[in-house]
Amino acid sequence: ILNVEQSPQSLHVQEGDSTNFTCSFPSSNFYALHWYRWETAKSPEALFVMTLNGDEKKKGRISATLNTKEGYSYLYIKGSQPEDSATYLCAFISADSSYKLIFGSGTRLLVRP
Amino acid sequence: GAGVSQTPSNKVTEKGKYVELRCDPISGHTALYWYRQSLGQGPEFLIYFQGTGAADDSGLPNDRFFAVRPEGSVSTLKIQRTERGDSAVYLCASSLLGLAGDNEQFFGPGTRLTVL
Repeated sequence: ILNVEQSPQSLHVQEGDSTNFTCSFPSSNFYALHWYRWETAKSPEALFVMTLNGDEKKKGRISATLNTKEGYSYLYIKGSQPEDSATYLCAFISADSSYKLIFGSGTRLLVRP
Repeated sequence: GAGVSQTPSNKVTEKGKYVELRCDPISGHTALYWYRQSLGQGPEFLIYFQGTGAADDSGLPNDRFFAVRPEGSVSTLKIQRTERGDSAVYLCASSLLGLAGDNEQFFGPGTRLTVL
């Protein structure tokens, strides 16, 4: 069974704080890692698709890094805003089944104004 | 352009009843996926279609669950004799091709199923 773990489970921060979450995944048979942002009552939205060890990707105030050798990815949010409040999910893809997303349980972020 | 749509958005049913959940993928996407998210967990893979055929249905929990995609576009997830443990958010996603590695899966908003 492939295990994808995310921490923390939930996080409350003040507007303007910077924050980061962790996703850990199996370090063998790596194919890709996806990060999604899921706001209540909306569709999960892809943030990043990461495939190479050492990858760093950025979209506005959000960035992500990838370490496939040790099996972890970090998601950073700089200067959190209330509209960043959402559940952030990571999903691992194994080389054995390159269509199947294996999700962690997510980090629920609440940004207080 | 239109994204992935799912109907209904909410479904409440009684234990033992039959339900159908519908997914309209993005036009032209050959791959379609169903996932299920139970409370406190991440979405779990149920089934993957490439065109009209189910390429991998290994995630379907038991034979009460069945899914079809007869014309390679719209898909229906069918659950017979529903049980309270089937209560979850059922998510559908589609992608242009079947290889998810660097190929984004686009998700619908989900159907929240509640079995009383």
